[in-house]
Amino acid sequence: SAVISQKPSRDICQRGTSLTIQCQVDSQVTMMFWYRQQPGQSLTLIATANQGSEATYESGFVIDKFPISRPNLTFSTLTVSNMSPEDSSIYLCSVEGGTAYGYTFGSGTRLTVV
Amino acid sequence: AQSVTQLDSQVPVFEEAPVELRCNYSSSVSVYLFWYVQYPNQGLQLLLKYLSGSTLVESINGFEAEFNKSQTSFHLRKPSVHISDTAEYFCAVSGGGSNYKLTFGKGTLLTVNP
Repeated sequence: SAVISQKPSRDICQRGTSLTIQCQVDSQVTMMFWYRQQPGQSLTLIATANQGSEATYESGFVIDKFPISRPNLTFSTLTVSNMSPEDSSIYLCSVEGGTAYGYTFGSGTRLTVV
Repeated sequence: AQSVTQLDSQVPVFEEAPVELRCNYSSSVSVYLFWYVQYPNQGLQLLLKYLSGSTLVESINGFEAEFNKSQTSFHLRKPSVHISDTAEYFCAVSGGGSNYKLTFGKGTLLTVNP
């Protein structure tokens, strides 16, 4: 299965600023996914990122708040813009390893907004 | 639409006792089912998955889960737990194909006490 490197692993940010999270995969993948895990909660899909096209956002998430880049088949970034304390969460990227492998997740970015 | 219900938010057990973490799903299409484990302050790791074939699937660390289509369940079991099994366990469902998105349950915190 794919190996994902995600960074930063954690950050503490001031409200009103933006943070860009990077996700690097060791193999080419068609789709990459970004999830949010709020404190004590399950994972919620933010968007699906395909290379060469606009990301597809889930209900409740918008591109202005969570812009995503997908410049090639092994890399993606998620930006959390104009942050507020409510954005404090763990953000995870994920790729589909083909149905034989299931989905692989990065180690996550633990974001605290103060 | 698909959904996952994990009936127990917390399950405390003593070391070497058996445990069952319950998961029920709903989906209008055929399903792929997954259990993920999240150890404290870490990302998600795939524990086991059901794609097709044998309804009983096993992990390398002694967990097993049985796909029961009539009960729409995918309960996770281990006959004897260790303190190191303390973690959050998430059940997830995917429809595969065009319905590839993972939908997660709310998670079950398994706490193994000495």
